[in-house]
Amino acid sequence: SQQGEEDPQALSIQEGENATMNCSYKTSINNLQWYRQNSGRGLVHLILIRSNEREKHSGRLRVTLDTSKKSSSLLITASRAADTASYFCATDAKMDSSYKLIFGSGTRLLVRP
Amino acid sequence: DAEITQSPRHKITETGRQVTLACHQTWNHNNMFWYRQDLGHGLRLIHYSYGVQDTNKGEVSDGYSVSRSNTEDLPLTLESAASSQTSVYFCASSAVAGAQGTQYFGPGTRLTVL
Repeated sequence: SQQGEEDPQALSIQEGENATMNCSYKTSINNLQWYRQNSGRGLVHLILIRSNEREKHSGRLRVTLDTSKKSSSLLITASRAADTASYFCATDAKMDSSYKLIFGSGTRLLVRP
Repeated sequence: DAEITQSPRHKITETGRQVTLACHQTWNHNNMFWYRQDLGHGLRLIHYSYGVQDTNKGEVSDGYSVSRSNTEDLPLTLESAASSQTSVYFCASSAVAGAQGTQYFGPGTRLTVL
């Protein structure tokens, strides 16, 4: 059962452009996280935003959260070829009386040099 | 630097064999997790542990088991490997239980069951 769903599934942009990825989820959350996965590697945590926060920044990353729409977006500004990766949102969902991290199926980002 | 390692990185086995995938972390985290990653499904939680001697089932635990005898290691065992268990397996650890904190992932093990 997937709590978060990313959109689009794939995105191709030119280096220097901004990349926006969206995540929608189904049930109420305490926090939402974004992870990056380079090809053949494990996931790397990017940013965590809590349900009482609306926006968070980390370097070239900007994450927004709209709990009324049950959605979040990840914006990467001034993209670089090294940003080519898959990006996953993860939300906390209650499973068997405790909360677990549930991942979406990801957005594949290709940044063309 | 603290890290989380997995071994082997690649494994090919036959249907019916028992397979154990190793996960070792030097973060000194109490909380460890096993996920599998398949195309179109993202990551799905198999088992998790919140401390020594503690193990819990996740979303897709059938056919898998874990044991936690120390803080650093959480081996994942496939009791009788099936072709449906061909996947990439990731181990993760966290300083925070549940879903409230950052999870640190290993590099993954690609398992093929023939």
